[in-house]
Amino acid sequence: QVHLVESGGGVVQPGRSLRLSCVASGFTFTTSAMHWVRQAPGKGLVWVSTISYDGRNKFYTASVKGRFAISRDDSRNTVSLQMNSLRPEDTGVYFCAKGAAAGNYFEYWGPGTVVTVPS
Amino acid sequence: DIQMTQSPPSLSASVTDRVSITCRASQSVDSWLAWYQKKPGKAPKLLIYRASTLQSGVPSRFSGSGSGTEFTLTIDSVQLDDFATYYCQQYSTSLLTFGGGTKLEIE
Repeated sequence: QVHLVESGGGVVQPGRSLRLSCVASGFTFTTSAMHWVRQAPGKGLVWVSTISYDGRNKFYTASVKGRFAISRDDSRNTVSLQMNSLRPEDTGVYFCAKGAAAGNYFEYWGPGTVVTVPS
Repeated sequence: DIQMTQSPPSLSASVTDRVSITCRASQSVDSWLAWYQKKPGKAPKLLIYRASTLQSGVPSRFSGSGSGTEFTLTIDSVQLDDFATYYCQQYSTSLLTFGGGTKLEIE
């Protein structure tokens, strides 16, 4: 079955960087778009970034554009999120999600990894 | 970006009640809309996609309807396991957006 596991979260000072990774299994990774979604403490879900199945197209929510970079390594079934110039408002749980074949909705999710940027 | 607005923000119900949650889009998203269930400490779970298609394994008491700018998630005969927060999400554009969520609480 589909399995997604995020890693790389932690406590990081404002302005510093962190790299999240998500290892996928149980499906054909090379044909799936992949996404990152976050949830700040006590807040709702917010889409962060998408990478297309072939890595050619990348999209970001406005608040992270220019600071975050999504990438994929098909040889390792891994999608990553490089987060630079971190801010306290980037704090939250970051979920990796598999895109559906039929559209950019989130078919399967990982359990999430926690990022904390203290103010 | 397309803004998604859910109502109500919270909802109290008893087991076996029928409840409905509304999601409105700031512009038409056709039927490119999904619904998720989120419980504290857990990953979100896909319930419905394409506005009304039930994801495999999701109980049939969940249903979705609507198109364009107005959508509804209905739970017939709410069960204890259904008390959670529900989110809509549009995927009409590459910049994806969620609604603010509706928390379903036990009355």
